[in-house]
Amino acid sequence: DQQVKQNSPSLSVQEGRISILNCDYTNSMFDYFLWYKKYPAEGPTFLISISSIKDKNEDGRFTVFLNKSAKHLSLHIVPSQPGDSAVYFCAATRLNSGNTPLVFGKGTRLSVIA
Amino acid sequence: DTGVSQDPRHKITKRGQNVTFRCDPISEHNRLYWYRQTLGQGPEFLTYFQNEAQLEKSRLLSDRFSAERPKGSFSTLEIQRTEQGDSAMYLCASRTGEKTQYFGPGTRLLVL
Repeated sequence: DQQVKQNSPSLSVQEGRISILNCDYTNSMFDYFLWYKKYPAEGPTFLISISSIKDKNEDGRFTVFLNKSAKHLSLHIVPSQPGDSAVYFCAATRLNSGNTPLVFGKGTRLSVIA
Repeated sequence: DTGVSQDPRHKITKRGQNVTFRCDPISEHNRLYWYRQTLGQGPEFLTYFQNEAQLEKSRLLSDRFSAERPKGSFSTLEIQRTEQGDSAMYLCASRTGEKTQYFGPGTRLLVL
């Protein structure tokens, strides 16, 4: 069973517009969420995270929103740039778990069109 | 500032052969993770070390897989008697006490 779901395998956005990537989770014990960006043949690169005590975290062009009641989070990229084209993974974990392995979604491929 | 490094970056082997991968974490990071990523999937957890102690292993880690972190620094992941289903990207990540895991570039394994 998939505990973290990214239901959109791909997304195309024009340069300069907003990209919104969505993620749903089923395990109510998750309390820390991360977004990673991955280029082909490279490892995932950390982008931004959010704790369940917050509903929003912002870092430059990237903002993550968390809706705990809906078990839903989203990543907003504004403005989108061609260099943002990559696969984006949502991941979740438990802050108080000793080993905190990340549970990942399947990813969303973002294409930013110039 | 050196990140997580992995060696080799690519490995092609024949079915039945043994392979070993190495991960060098960020130097002050005492926690180290191995993940596996197959096509169309997100990374899946394999095993976790805190210093030299292997504290958790996923059910994905069959008895053909073994991982070590002998001095609490670098780690190795060995796969014995490789099978075609082992073909994947093997990712290593490390962290300190804070929660963000930083990933290496991965080792892409192809079993023929």
